[in-house]
Amino acid sequence: GEDVEQSLFLSVREGDSSVINCTYTDSSSTYLYWYKQEPGAGLQLLTYIFSNMDMKQDQRLTVLLNKKDKHLSLRIADTQTGDSAIYFCAESMDYGGATNKLIFGTGTLLAVQP
Amino acid sequence: KAGVTQTPRYLIKTRGQQVTLSCSPISGHRSVSWYQQTPGQGLQFLFEYFSETQRNKGNFPGRFSGRQFSNSRSEMNVSTLELGDSALYLCASSWGQGGEQYFGPGTRLTVT
Repeated sequence: GEDVEQSLFLSVREGDSSVINCTYTDSSSTYLYWYKQEPGAGLQLLTYIFSNMDMKQDQRLTVLLNKKDKHLSLRIADTQTGDSAIYFCAESMDYGGATNKLIFGTGTLLAVQP
Repeated sequence: KAGVTQTPRYLIKTRGQQVTLSCSPISGHRSVSWYQQTPGQGLQFLFEYFSETQRNKGNFPGRFSGRQFSNSRSEMNVSTLELGDSALYLCASSWGQGGEQYFGPGTRLTVT
């Protein structure tokens, strides 16, 4: 089935690392994404990983994928107050044909304390 | 390169009316997907278009429809609006299948 779960809230201090976790249920996921949403705004693509990869690093962001446990995480190094937002993980799946349909998690609210 | 644009940004309608929302994808992108975001249901997939053809559809009633034009711009239409249709409607554009998908700023629809 299609289900993506995230914890609802994470609070960190400025300068610390943040780790946001996500679990998904469908093993046929092809791509996994992390998006950031600030109040009143659309979704900003942060990074994505193909399902045959274990890790991807992009500046302060590190994505880890454990396909066996269907677990995805996003680590933000040196978290800043500007990182405060809701973070969504999403998966796209192979439905046996071409599609870009994304299944989103519920979102994790990251609060960065100065 | 310009990003994904959506018009209008804000819309207020009354129950029973219909509404049309527009999305212009990033230049060169041929796939446009639509999502509804509400506090209760989160982000839910509406439909996806590629080269003017709908290639996937979510679990929404027939009041929700869409189309894509030859220039890849897409519109979605909601007829006989209900209070529960109040939401942020987001569109996403991508070049083909998989990989980067970029979202627009959304259209905030309020139904009174």
